[in-house]
Amino acid sequence: SSDLTQPPSVSVSPGQTARITCSGDALPKKYAYWFQQKSGQAPVLVISDDSKRPSGIPERFSGSNSGTMATLTISGARVEDEADYYCYSVDSSGDRVFGGGTKLTVI
Amino acid sequence: QVQLVQSGAEVKRPGASVKVSCMSSGYTFTNYPMNWVRQAPGQGLEWMAWINTGTGGTQYSRKFQDRVTITRDTSANTAYMEVNSLRFEDMAVYFCARGVYGDSVLDHWGQGTLVSVAS
Repeated sequence: SSDLTQPPSVSVSPGQTARITCSGDALPKKYAYWFQQKSGQAPVLVISDDSKRPSGIPERFSGSNSGTMATLTISGARVEDEADYYCYSVDSSGDRVFGGGTKLTVI
Repeated sequence: QVQLVQSGAEVKRPGASVKVSCMSSGYTFTNYPMNWVRQAPGQGLEWMAWINTGTGGTQYSRKFQDRVTITRDTSANTAYMEVNSLRFEDMAVYFCARGVYGDSVLDHWGQGTLVSVAS
């Protein structure tokens, strides 16, 4: 089981806004990070420290963290954004932990 | 540019051990910690452990602390992850991922190493 809870799937049409949530009791005190993983590839960091976008990540990716919930927002989702998305943080005991992952479908 | 290159796929029998390497280039190895993450077939990501590449200090997830050992060779800019007493459920892709001291970020990842466990 994971201390970070994500919805198993999210589906949007191209151009719509996709929001993927991640809930966890430690999130009010810890940063959330988001990774994109396409089939057969290594994960890629898309959001760091709740809301920072690493170099090379498109501006349509943004993040927020409020209370016990972090959110990854993809504004104007594209077909190429279809992937599994994982949140990541530190749990209440100090261990690093991933959420269960969310499959984003853009159709 | 930062690169993490992992060793090739392995096939092992239950009860055996496997050691995966992760060779770093493009940055000063000891200035960044290294994490290990695994992903079973069709499953999500699991954080396993972390090593301070400067001091050799380690931190393990409680799930893996009994059968996993992570080490590093600073002369070779390489981190290692060894799993002992392999079980069928250890079959997974194992990733190394560079961290940042004072932060929990995983900013660069290796390509992954598939470890198969079969009798």
